[in-house]
Order: sequence, then C-alpha cells, then structure tokens
Amino acid sequence: KAGVTQTPRYLIKTRGQQVTLSCSPISGHRSVSWYQQTPGQGLQFLFEYFSETQRNKGNFPGRFSGRQFSNSRSEMNVSTLELGDSALYLCASRSEGANYGYTFGSGTRLTVV
Amino acid sequence: DQQVKQNSPSLSVQEGRISILNCDYTNSMFDYFLWYKKYPAEGPTFLISISSIKDKNEDGRFTVFLNKSAKHLSLHIVPSQPGDSAVYFCAASENTGKLIFGQGTTLQVKP
Repeated sequence: KAGVTQTPRYLIKTRGQQVTLSCSPISGHRSVSWYQQTPGQGLQFLFEYFSETQRNKGNFPGRFSGRQFSNSRSEMNVSTLELGDSALYLCASRSEGANYGYTFGSGTRLTVV
Repeated sequence: DQQVKQNSPSLSVQEGRISILNCDYTNSMFDYFLWYKKYPAEGPTFLISISSIKDKNEDGRFTVFLNKSAKHLSLHIVPSQPGDSAVYFCAASENTGKLIFGQGTTLQVKP
C-alpha cells in the first residue's frame, strides 16, 4: 500500500512568487491535512480537507490556501511568498474512524530567497 | 499560547534502559492524544495514541500514560534501542482533525 506522496520534495522560490504543493493521500483516505514545520514554531496546523471541503483551518494568513479534488488528492498554494515561509510543509491523511492516526508524507522543503 | 508543551528539548539514555518523554497540556477539551516519532528529512511516524477516557495504552515497547487531573501525559519506551534515537512529538486533538503538536524532544539512545 503506497504511503502519502508529496511533490516536489524540494523547492526554491523567490520572494513575491507563488507556489503550489501537491499531496496524494493513501488510497481510500478521504481526510487530508497540511502542516508547516519551522525550527522556531514547530509543527503548526494549516488546514484540513474532507470530501473536497475545508473542515478546519489554522491561524495562517489568507496567502495560504488549499483545495481537495474528488480523488482526495490535495494541493496547497502560498501566494506572495515571504522569507518566513521557508519551511517543511507536511501533508497527512487518514481514513475516517481511524482515531486521529494520521499518516504523514515526507514533506516538501520550501526555501524562499 | 502553547496548548501542548514538551519542556525537555532533549533526553539521553543508555541502551536497554527506560526512556520517559513527558508532555503537558492546558486545554481540558482535548479528547485524544498521540505520540509521533520523526527522523530528519522525513515526515512524523505515528507511534501510539490514547483516548481521554483511558489512563494507559500499551503497544509493544511503547506505553503512554495519561493523567487528566495533572493534564500530563508521558511516553515510556522499554527497553530503549539505538534505533529509537529521533525527535518525539506529542500531539492533542479536540475531537477534530486538527492536531496541536508540542515542540518535540530529541531522544538519544547510546549503545
């Protein structure tokens, strides 16, 4: 059974640009969440999607957005990149009723220069 | 306002001994708690969880204890192995898909 796949693994962008990250959940998992990991702030929740609807949202500015497709694949977008957006972005999926045992992908390392 | 805290940034133990990682929380509405293990450049790996209606859950070498009155949980690893060396995160949830993570504790198990 394939795990959670995130692409790309590494990305370098310039301030002011926008970026789109992709996540393919484990087959059959309909819930997908995104997290940002930085050395200073740790792992912080961005948003959760279930059946193409955003179910929860963290305390991030509107520059951070996401969506989920009918096949449960998800994308997150960050517009007008800032240096502080440099982080490891992690996607996680689970099946409903799995009692919060999210499976994480390996993440996308975004560097903003 | 950090709702989940891991006050020890690092812990070093000898192989074969017990490792005890601690976590405190402030939100009494949390109903589920989890522990994750993370290696550099990888995503967190789910280890073990516990519902707020229980005070102990075991899975092999890993046991999680929950003390609701003290708002404290701990992860015991017995016996510790060098391959357990990683960063350990505790996380909590309030009956939603949103996990709130602690800052992590780096465990080093010495051979």
